[in-house]
Amino acid sequence: AQSVAQPEDQVKVAEGNPLTVKCTYSVSGNPYLFWYVQYPNRGLQFLLKYITGDNLVKGSYGFEAEFNKSQTSFHLKKPSALVSDSALYFCAVRDTNAGKSTFGDGTTLTVKP
Amino acid sequence: EAGVTQFPSHSVIEKGQTVTLRCDPISGHDNLYWYRRVMGKEIKFLLHFVKESKQDESGMPNNRFLAERTGGTYSTLKVQPAELEDSGVYFCASSQEGGSYYEQYFGPGTRLTVT
Repeated sequence: AQSVAQPEDQVKVAEGNPLTVKCTYSVSGNPYLFWYVQYPNRGLQFLLKYITGDNLVKGSYGFEAEFNKSQTSFHLKKPSALVSDSALYFCAVRDTNAGKSTFGDGTTLTVKP
Repeated sequence: EAGVTQFPSHSVIEKGQTVTLRCDPISGHDNLYWYRRVMGKEIKFLLHFVKESKQDESGMPNNRFLAERTGGTYSTLKVQPAELEDSGVYFCASSQEGGSYYEQYFGPGTRLTVT
């Protein structure tokens, strides 16, 4: 069975500072990893994904994530946070060729001015 | 291109009543998924349609939940009778192909409150 852990319910950073939202995963086969963001009263928006290749994946809105196979992690990062980045972030994993996604509990990011 | 739409956006019903949620996927997307997030926990998979067929319904919690996708276009998820623990946000997603490589596009969700 596959699983995802987001160890932090909340992350708070000051605007302009770098941010990291953590995610670790467990999957039997090769992992397909995703990050989504949910703004208030909106659906989940795709940020980025790792399928294969370069361990550093770049996505929307200046976000990037680093795949680390040995640590089974896929942390979301941004060099300089914006107040508008404040939202709920979900990490998800899919097993090879399996359509369904397994999500973490979500991490609320608050960027203070 | 219109995104995934869901109706209603919010539903408040009493325990024991019936509620039907609707999802309209992106046009041309054969794969449709239902997920739900209960009590601020993780988003959990409910089921996966390929066209009108149920590909995987392993996440359906019990027989009070019935999902249909007649004609392979929109889908409905009926909860009958609703229980308090069914409260949460129900998300629908669609994708062009069913493999894990393909991005799933999510709708805004339906917030269900059972009182």
